[in-house]
Amino acid sequence: NAGVTQTPKFQVLKTGQSMTLQCAQDMNHNSMYWYRQDPGMGLRLIYYSASEGTTDKGEVPNGYNVSRLNKREFSLRLESAAPSQTSVYFCASSDYSPINEQFFGPGTRLTVL
Amino acid sequence: KNQVEQSPQSLIILEGKNCTLQCNYTVSPFSNLRWYKQDTGRGPVSLTIMTFSENTKSNGRYTATLDADTKQSSLHITASQLSDSASYICVVLDSNYQLIWGAGTKLIIKP
Repeated sequence: NAGVTQTPKFQVLKTGQSMTLQCAQDMNHNSMYWYRQDPGMGLRLIYYSASEGTTDKGEVPNGYNVSRLNKREFSLRLESAAPSQTSVYFCASSDYSPINEQFFGPGTRLTVL
Repeated sequence: KNQVEQSPQSLIILEGKNCTLQCNYTVSPFSNLRWYKQDTGRGPVSLTIMTFSENTKSNGRYTATLDADTKQSSLHITASQLSDSASYICVVLDSNYQLIWGAGTKLIIKP
């Protein structure tokens, strides 16, 4: 089992460019999450999907969109990247709800120039 | 505002020594409290999950304690190893099933 996988691992964008971060899990989990991690701060939830076909905003959703493509895959899209979106992005999944343990991917390090 | 604060911000100890990391939270009520280990360049990995009724939980050389009255938790690492060098993050799940993340303690183990 690969667990949670993310692509790409690194990305450099120019301001205004768009890109999609991909995430997939093979643990048959219902819930999936996107976080960002900035230096000196705790992880912040961007969006989550409680189950296939549903998505909800988290703490910092502005500038992002998500798609729950199927039970396995949950993508995060930056339509017009800004320097403030420079961060490390983590995808996670859990069984049914946040009350259960979350399993994280290796992260995507994004730099916006 | 619900907050999770960790101390110290960073810590350096010699291999083989013990250490204790602290977590204070203002989240009330809460569903559970977790400790995660995050190696550099990797995603967080769960060490322990405790409900409000649990006082202590162990995972190998890691022991977490919880005092729900004082809203404090600690993570004790016994006989540290070089592989324990990582950030340790305290996370509280509030009653709305929102995870409140601490900023973490960066632990460096020196040989």
